[in-house]
Amino acid sequence: KQEVTQIPAALSVPEGENLVLNCSFTDSAIYNLQWFRQDPGKGLTSLLLIQSSQREQTSGRLNASLDKSSGRSTLYIAASQPGDSATYLCAVVLIGGSEKLVFGKGTKLTVNP
Amino acid sequence: DAMVIQNPRYQVTQFGKPVTLSCSQTLNHNVMYWYQQKSSQAPKLLFHYYDKDFNNEADTPDNFQSRRPNTSFCFLDIRSPGLGDAAMYLCATSRDLVLAGGQETQYFGPGTRLLVL
Repeated sequence: KQEVTQIPAALSVPEGENLVLNCSFTDSAIYNLQWFRQDPGKGLTSLLLIQSSQREQTSGRLNASLDKSSGRSTLYIAASQPGDSATYLCAVVLIGGSEKLVFGKGTKLTVNP
Repeated sequence: DAMVIQNPRYQVTQFGKPVTLSCSQTLNHNVMYWYQQKSSQAPKLLFHYYDKDFNNEADTPDNFQSRRPNTSFCFLDIRSPGLGDAAMYLCATSRDLVLAGGQETQYFGPGTRLLVL
């Protein structure tokens, strides 16, 4: 059974700091991995999608890496801003499974002004 | 703007009283999903539709049903809500199935928060 773990569960940093969020998954047979952002009481916004054949994806201040063999992904946020405060979730789609995204519980990020 | 819309944003129902949550999309996507997210937990897929083909997750309780009358709309019916069904219900869409190419992003609506009294 695929399990997705995100560490830490919560992170608080001062504005301007570069930071890394971690995601690990137990089964490396995945189609892709996605990072999402969720604001309190809101839905999910897709940030980056990395296909299993890719190593990383970049969008603005965000960079996500994927090491499928070790079952790890990181989301790097450069020059963090208070507006980055949210919960960040990673999710994988398992090969041979159904269409479902298997999510981690997320890392709650607070960027302090 | 093309988007995924969920109504209502907040729904209060009574224990055992049937309730329906709705989702609509202007993206013209083939696939629609319903997820359940309890407080501080990961979203959990209940079922999805590919066009009119319904796919239920093995561990989705029978209490949860879904209807997709056309491409744009999808409904989640909870036949007899229990206290444990209080959660955020998220609707999502994707252009195609992941299996078709591995590149499909899912687009989420804002969610409906269900409270069961």
